[in-house]
Amino acid sequence: DAGVIQSPRHEVTEMGQEVTLRCKPISGHNSLFWYRQTMMRGLELLIYFNNNVPIDDSGMPEDRFSAKMPNASFSTLKIQPSEPRDSAVYFCASSLVSAGLKETQYFGPGTRLLVL
Amino acid sequence: DAKTTQPPSMDCAEGRAANLPCNHSTISGNEYVYWYRQIHSQGPQYIIHGLKNNETNEMASLIITEDRKSSTLILPHATLRDTAVYYCIVRVRYGGATNKLIFGTGTLLAVQP
Repeated sequence: DAGVIQSPRHEVTEMGQEVTLRCKPISGHNSLFWYRQTMMRGLELLIYFNNNVPIDDSGMPEDRFSAKMPNASFSTLKIQPSEPRDSAVYFCASSLVSAGLKETQYFGPGTRLLVL
Repeated sequence: DAKTTQPPSMDCAEGRAANLPCNHSTISGNEYVYWYRQIHSQGPQYIIHGLKNNETNEMASLIITEDRKSSTLILPHATLRDTAVYYCIVRVRYGGATNKLIFGTGTLLAVQP
């Protein structure tokens, strides 16, 4: 199993540019999560999807952030326009939620974003 | 979800058992205790979880007190590769529905050679 795949692994962009982060969850998983990690705020959940439907986006910082999951094998997190304070490591995670089964979230390697 | 309290850092000698404590005094009856760890520059990794019974797997053991107000993660023979930040999380599990993982600041475990 390839695990959760994220791309790009590193992104450097200039303030005002659009940034798109991509995630491929583990095949068969039905929940997908986007997290952001910074030194100041630690690891925080931005949004999660269940069966491709956004369930809770209360962690999305503002309207500049948007996330989509067009199918079970792909999700994007977009920042438009980007700002220096968006610099962080963005993690995607997926899990299989099924009654009676242990639910474990598997994290990808992260995308390190630097906005200049 | 209940809050957790962990020491910010701990040291452990290589080959010895590492015992990482966690307080969750406001835990509810349907909240599980989960442990994840994050090795530098990597995504968090699931270790173990439990409700009220002690649990053991190939990575670690989880000891939960009878009143469930605290727990201890035990790495039986720590290696240098176990150096990481360890997160203790309590979360509610509803049947068929996923829930958030609320990460605190965790414990930085430094395994010394």
